[in-house]
Amino acid sequence: EVQLVESGGGLAQPGGSLRLSCVASGISFSDYEGNWVRQAPGKGLEWLSFLSPGGSDIYYADSVRGRFTISRDSAKNSLHLQMNNLRVDDTAIYYCAKKTPGASWFDLWGQGTLVTVSS
Amino acid sequence: QSVLTQPPSVSGAPGQRVTISCTGSTSNIGAPYGVHWYQQLPGAAPKLLIHANTHRPSGVPDRFSGSKSGTSASLAITGLQTEDEADYYCQSYDISLSAWVFGGGTKLTVL
Repeated sequence: EVQLVESGGGLAQPGGSLRLSCVASGISFSDYEGNWVRQAPGKGLEWLSFLSPGGSDIYYADSVRGRFTISRDSAKNSLHLQMNNLRVDDTAIYYCAKKTPGASWFDLWGQGTLVTVSS
Repeated sequence: QSVLTQPPSVSGAPGQRVTISCTGSTSNIGAPYGVHWYQQLPGAAPKLLIHANTHRPSGVPDRFSGSKSGTSASLAITGLQTEDEADYYCQSYDISLSAWVFGGGTKLTVL
């Protein structure tokens, strides 16, 4: 079964850091575009970051640019999101989502990991 | 304020047909990238429902259909079932923002 499983969420203080991971099974994640999307409590979906299969293209939403860094580890078939200088409004469920190169939709999502930023 | 506009809620009785609208602009829905729809059941992750305006992934019932006209799109659900009760999101790529964008979501209640 093809699936994505996120981990690394938890409680962080404002200004703190967390590193999220997303491990793929059933596919070679490095063949696909990796993305992070978040959902604040009771709110809608917000795309955050994109990483191309070869790693040459990286994009960020304005809300996280300069604070979050996306990366992948091909050996571990995983995608990561390093989140620094966290703010209270970063509190959300963070989803890993994959895209097929050339497509503009997210065809597979992980179950999400909850990040809470609070003092 | 979402880039794509959806009604906050819709409702219908079992067996009925409902539609959910999604309004954008020439920078997103009206651009060549098209519009896509996701279903998010309570407490679950989003799931792709419709891609490229009208296409259903394998396993999605044909009760779900999508359409697009100009800078707007619609998701139609026929033969409503109680298990269709969920949040539905439209999504596109915005060429002006260089970002993937979502609608605010529509909560479907099956009466």
